[in-house]
Amino acid sequence: GENVEQHPSTLSVQEGDSAVIKCTYSDSASNYFPWYKQELGKRPQLIIDIRSNVGEKKDQRIAVTLNKTAKHFSLHITETQPEDSAVYFCAASMVGRGADGLTFGKGTHLIIQP
Amino acid sequence: SQTIHQWPATLVQPVGSPLSLECTVEGTSNPNLYWYRQAAGRGLQLLFYSVGIGQISSEVPQNLSASRPQDRQFILSSKKLLLSDSGFYLCAARLSGNTIYFGEGSWLTVV
Repeated sequence: GENVEQHPSTLSVQEGDSAVIKCTYSDSASNYFPWYKQELGKRPQLIIDIRSNVGEKKDQRIAVTLNKTAKHFSLHITETQPEDSAVYFCAASMVGRGADGLTFGKGTHLIIQP
Repeated sequence: SQTIHQWPATLVQPVGSPLSLECTVEGTSNPNLYWYRQAAGRGLQLLFYSVGIGQISSEVPQNLSASRPQDRQFILSSKKLLLSDSGFYLCAARLSGNTIYFGEGSWLTVV
């Protein structure tokens, strides 16, 4: 089955700086890669996703890049703000196979220092 | 609109007691449904998924079970809880396109 590795487990950045979280996946058939943000005690919320037919997607301060050859994808947050502090999860799945359940990375605790 | 309802939000149960968590989905038909568990400070583990009424697949062996008695209802159960069952349980559904959305979660503490 799919295996997703996520790094780093904790990331501390100064407010206003950029943050980058990286994930690798093992199954070359995976074609859908969402990112979720989870605040303490709350459910994960989808913040951005990318499909394997594109290499990059951007939504305001958030961008995701995908390298299919290397089987890795990254989340980029620019001009970080205190409200960006949360745990971020990457995930991978193959749409069209079985129940299309997501395999998650173990999460990155992003801390924005004022 | 599409919504996932999950309850109860919080419960404290003694070891050996039964468990029932319920999830219902609005605004879509025949969704894929999932139960995830998140232990304190850790990642999301897929427990069960269902592609239709009465169809349940288990990802990990455990003392939990799941059922889907209706198209938009998904239930997580246990006959006898263990201390290790404590955690944050999340129902999820594929509501549109490829996107999977989560319910608000249920905090279970087994004492």
